[in-house]
Amino acid sequence: QVQLVQSGAEVKRPGASVKVSCKTSGYTFAGHYIHWVRQAPGQGLEWMGWIDPKSGDTDSAQKFQGRVTLTSDSSINTVYMELSGLRSDDAAVYYCARAEDCSGGSCYSYGWFDPWGQGTQVTVSS
Amino acid sequence: DIQMTQSPSSLSASVGDTVTITCRASQSVSTYLNWYQQKPGEAPKLLIYIASILQTGVPSRFSGSGSRTDFTLTISNLHPEDSATYYCQQTYTSFSFGQGTKLEIK
Repeated sequence: QVQLVQSGAEVKRPGASVKVSCKTSGYTFAGHYIHWVRQAPGQGLEWMGWIDPKSGDTDSAQKFQGRVTLTSDSSINTVYMELSGLRSDDAAVYYCARAEDCSGGSCYSYGWFDPWGQGTQVTVSS
Repeated sequence: DIQMTQSPSSLSASVGDTVTITCRASQSVSTYLNWYQQKPGEAPKLLIYIASILQTGVPSRFSGSGSRTDFTLTISNLHPEDSATYYCQQTYTSFSFGQGTKLEIK
């Protein structure tokens, strides 16, 4: 079955960088974009960006541009999200999620996120 | 950016009840609207995609409808395990989520 398994919790100082990994299995790695979404404590879901593992192309939400780097390693079916210049308000659970746009023999112009990784807690504290 | 607004922000209902959660987009998203369920300490789980298509394995008491700017998620015959926060998401122009609706089962 399709699985996304993320790296463990991180504690970082303000100003540092964090790199979270998302190891995928159960499907063709190059066939699906991977998105990153974060959730601050008690808050909702915030989309951060995506990577196309086939081409390496990326895009990110404007608020993260210049601070987030998305990469992939096809040799181990893993994608990475690195966030730099950490601030206290970057403390959150970070999720990776696979993009899908086909189901039951039908494909659509725009899709959905399924499945999601288990999440990685990032704490920012001095 | 497309803003997604859910209502209500929270609600409480009893086992066996039917509840409806509304999601409104600031501009048309056609039918590219998805619903997710999130329980405390867990990752979100896809319930419905393309506004009304039930994800495999999701109970048929969940249903979705709507198009353009107005969408609903209806949960019929509430079960205790339906206690969760529900999020809508548009993928028509970039990606954005509603703020969530917390459902408590009395």
